[in-house]
Amino acid sequence: AQSVSQHNHHVILSEAASLELGCNYSYGGTVNLFWYVQYPGQHLQLLLKYFSGDPLVKGIKGFEAEFIKSKFSFNLRKPSVQWSDTAEYFCAVTQAGTALIFGKGTTLSVSS
Amino acid sequence: DSGVTQTPKHLITATGQRVTLRCSPRSGDLSVYWYQQSLDQGLQFLIQYYNGEERAKGNILERFSAQQFPDLHSELNLSSLELGDSALYFCASSVAGYSYNEQFFGPGTRLTVL
Repeated sequence: AQSVSQHNHHVILSEAASLELGCNYSYGGTVNLFWYVQYPGQHLQLLLKYFSGDPLVKGIKGFEAEFIKSKFSFNLRKPSVQWSDTAEYFCAVTQAGTALIFGKGTTLSVSS
Repeated sequence: DSGVTQTPKHLITATGQRVTLRCSPRSGDLSVYWYQQSLDQGLQFLIQYYNGEERAKGNILERFSAQQFPDLHSELNLSSLELGDSALYFCASSVAGYSYNEQFFGPGTRLTVL
């Protein structure tokens, strides 16, 4: 079955530390990749997405992600996190004709 | 604010009961999606409607049903509720029904079954 794995369940960082959240998927072929964020008490919001082209995609709030097809990965990065980045982060994958499949999420806690 | 509204925000009910969750998509969006978020299962896709027609089905139980009305709002009906149905139910909408369309999520309805 198609699946999305997020390796880190809970990540704790200090402000200004660098962030990398892992995401791997089990699909073959062409995929569409997304990272969503859910701030405390808010709805899910799109951070960034990859459909084709440059495998390094930039999103909102300084986040970026790199698609590595050979590794079936789409890791999320940010060079310097802020307290306001505390949230839950979801990786999601879809292919043509399939529904969006989410990973279980990674909770990021940033201390000031 | 994503433009997607969901009512009610919270719902507390008893086992065996039936509830209806409502979702209004963003203006101009034709597709509506329903998701269930629980601690053990994560965020799971339930069902998608596009312009009134069912487009895709995920892990939706037979006790659950949904529909999309001519004004494009959608309702998710949950019946014969069990304790395990307690979860956060999200609705999302997109302009079309393609897998690459960005989905905009509502604030969710938290269902507690006692």
